[in-house]
Amino acid sequence: GQNIDQPTEMTATEGAIVQINCTYQTSGFNGLFWYQQHAGEAPTFLSYNVLDGLEEKGRFSSFLSRSKGYSYLLLKELQMKDSASYLCAVRSGAGNNRKLIWGLGTSLAVNP
Amino acid sequence: DGGITQSPKYLFRKEGQNVTLSCEQNLNHDAMYWYRQDPGQGLRLIYYSQIVNDFQKGDIAEGYSVSREKKESFPLTVTSAQKNPTAFYLCASSDTRLAPRSSYNEQFFGPGTRLTVL
Repeated sequence: GQNIDQPTEMTATEGAIVQINCTYQTSGFNGLFWYQQHAGEAPTFLSYNVLDGLEEKGRFSSFLSRSKGYSYLLLKELQMKDSASYLCAVRSGAGNNRKLIWGLGTSLAVNP
Repeated sequence: DGGITQSPKYLFRKEGQNVTLSCEQNLNHDAMYWYRQDPGQGLRLIYYSQIVNDFQKGDIAEGYSVSREKKESFPLTVTSAQKNPTAFYLCASSDTRLAPRSSYNEQFFGPGTRLTVL
């Protein structure tokens, strides 16, 4: 079967660092995405990993280990506006069957 | 400006009525997707299309239908056969060509339509 696991909820303090983990078991792998979704809004793309290692993009970094089926999203210097749900998604399939398998999301609350 | 539009933002319908949600994109993307999101359930794939005049069922296609007659448009019909149609519906699109390093063929989402069936 296909499965993506993320913690349901996390809390952190403004200015701190938080790491959101994602583990996956999918029948194929063609990249892993992280999206941010504020309540009532559409998801927006944050990062993409297809090779092992760390991808850094300003305050956000994402790490991938394909052998372990594991990724994390690291958010530094947390701001109140970072309170949102963070969705992990794995791209699998090929040709006309290419699609994203989504985790349920991690709801992050940033407290002052 | 390029993007994806969904209309309307809020939609109310009586039980037993079919309703069609619109999704239009001007990003020149080949692939389009429809998702449903319920509280605590994440994104669930309803239908997707990688090319005009072709589409595939997702994980929860029962009670829904789609068409893809034009590259820019991928309307979703919620039929009376859908048992629990009240939800937040999201449309997305992505490029399918081999991506250069600066592009990941990520999915871009429309603003969503919140459907309530009374």
